[in-house]
Amino acid sequence: DTVLTQSPALAVSPGERVSISCRASEGVNSYMHWYQQKPGQQPKLLIYKASNLASGVPARFSGSGSGTDFTLTIDPVEADDTATYFCQQSWNDLYTFGAGTKLELK
Amino acid sequence: QVKLQQSGAELVKPGASVKLSCKTSGYTFSTSYMSWFKQIPGQSIEWIGMIYAGDGGTGYNQKFKGKATLTVDTSSSTAYMDLSSLTTEDSAVYFCARMATTDWYFDFWGPGTMVTVSS
Repeated sequence: DTVLTQSPALAVSPGERVSISCRASEGVNSYMHWYQQKPGQQPKLLIYKASNLASGVPARFSGSGSGTDFTLTIDPVEADDTATYFCQQSWNDLYTFGAGTKLELK
Repeated sequence: QVKLQQSGAELVKPGASVKLSCKTSGYTFSTSYMSWFKQIPGQSIEWIGMIYAGDGGTGYNQKFKGKATLTVDTSSSTAYMDLSSLTTEDSAVYFCARMATTDWYFDFWGPGTMVTVSS
């Protein structure tokens, strides 16, 4: 199985820039996707195939990376961005998710 | 617009089975793929398996083979997941999500169904 390791919880102030990392245990080409999940809600697609913004997602969100190292960036962060962010790979047939990064606002 | 509506919360006894539903609208269900997921609150997301509505073909995470069975009813644009021989470890929220067939990500998600296994 491809294990995805995410950065631990982060706390930032509104208006700042934040980068959330995801490292894959093996190369996944560009087949990395990012989701936002708020408490009690379903995940929401933010970024697909490493750097493509999903429909309706604000341009404050961006993604980068390829191979094993990927980053989700939010700039600037807003209060509504408080959530857990998950990466997910689809390079291998067994689709796997990272453990999630909980983003809190100061 | 694309919508996925999931069935309501379930309280079931150990050893029992449960069938969850995911009713879709707003897109062509019969040529789409649907995946199902398990999430214990506060934890990560596990992919259970996927089904192609066109012919009912399935693919499963080995961990859930024998536990989950995926089916579809194209006449009602609904996907189903049967969970069998339930134990307390199956207590979780279960999501369905449409798969984008180009790059295999999940673009629309249902709100989830909470399954509680308790005697």
